Amino acid sequence: DAKTTQPPSMDCAEGRAANLPCNHSTISGNEYVYWYRQIHSQGPQYIIHGLKNNETNEMASLIITEDRKSSTLILPHATLRDTAVYYCIVRAFGGTASKLTFGTGTRLQVTL
Amino acid sequence: ETGVTQTPRHLVMGMTNKKSLKCEQHLGHNAMYWYKQSAKKPLELMFVYSLEERVENNSVPSRFSPECPNSSHLFLHLHTLQPEDSALYLCASSLGTGGQPQHFGDGTRLSIL
Repeated sequence: DAKTTQPPSMDCAEGRAANLPCNHSTISGNEYVYWYRQIHSQGPQYIIHGLKNNETNEMASLIITEDRKSSTLILPHATLRDTAVYYCIVRAFGGTASKLTFGTGTRLQVTL
Repeated sequence: ETGVTQTPRHLVMGMTNKKSLKCEQHLGHNAMYWYKQSAKKPLELMFVYSLEERVENNSVPSRFSPECPNSSHLFLHLHTLQPEDSALYLCASSLGTGGQPQHFGDGTRLSIL
C-alpha cells in the first residue's frame, strides 16, 4: 500500500471549515484514499473514502486532485467534538487486502 | 455507539494471569480484527478473521491467542504477558476483507503489572 504524509497538527476555530491535507504521491491506480479519525479514549471512526472523484457524506467531503497524488478532507463546520487525530490511509480495494496501515495522522484541535 | 462492543474497558493483570478480551458486533459483518495501539505508536494489526477463519496473523507472540466462535464474537485470550504488552487493544469488524470500511470498538485498556 502507498505511504501517506500528513502534517502532525492543525488548529481550527469552531464553526470554520477544517481542511486536512494528505500527500500520497506513490498511489497506484487501484488504491483508494480512506479517512478515519480517533477521538481521545475511543476507537478509530471511519469518515469517508474515494478513488478519484470527490466524495461527500454527512460527516465530511473528500477532494482528490486530478493526478491523485494528494487529497484534502474537509469538515465544513468544525465543532469542539471534531477534535481528534485524523488518519489518511491508502489501500487497494478488493481481494483480501484487509490491512489498514495507520500512520501518525494529524492532530486537529478545534478551539472556541 | 459504533455497533462494536468490547469488554472489559479496562483490565489490570499480573504477568502470570490468564484473562480474555471480548468483542461483539451486531452489524451483520463477516470479518473481524484485533489491533494493538501502544503509546505514541501507530495501530498495529494483530489478527484477521473472515467467515470465522483466521486469514492473517501478523507475527504476534503465542501468548496472544485469538478465537472466533461465530461471526458476531471475537475473543483474545491472554496468558503470561509482558509489561510491554500494556496497550489499548481494539477490535474492528467489516463486511468482507476487501476494503469495506472497518468499524471499531472503543478498546480495552490493558495494564500488565
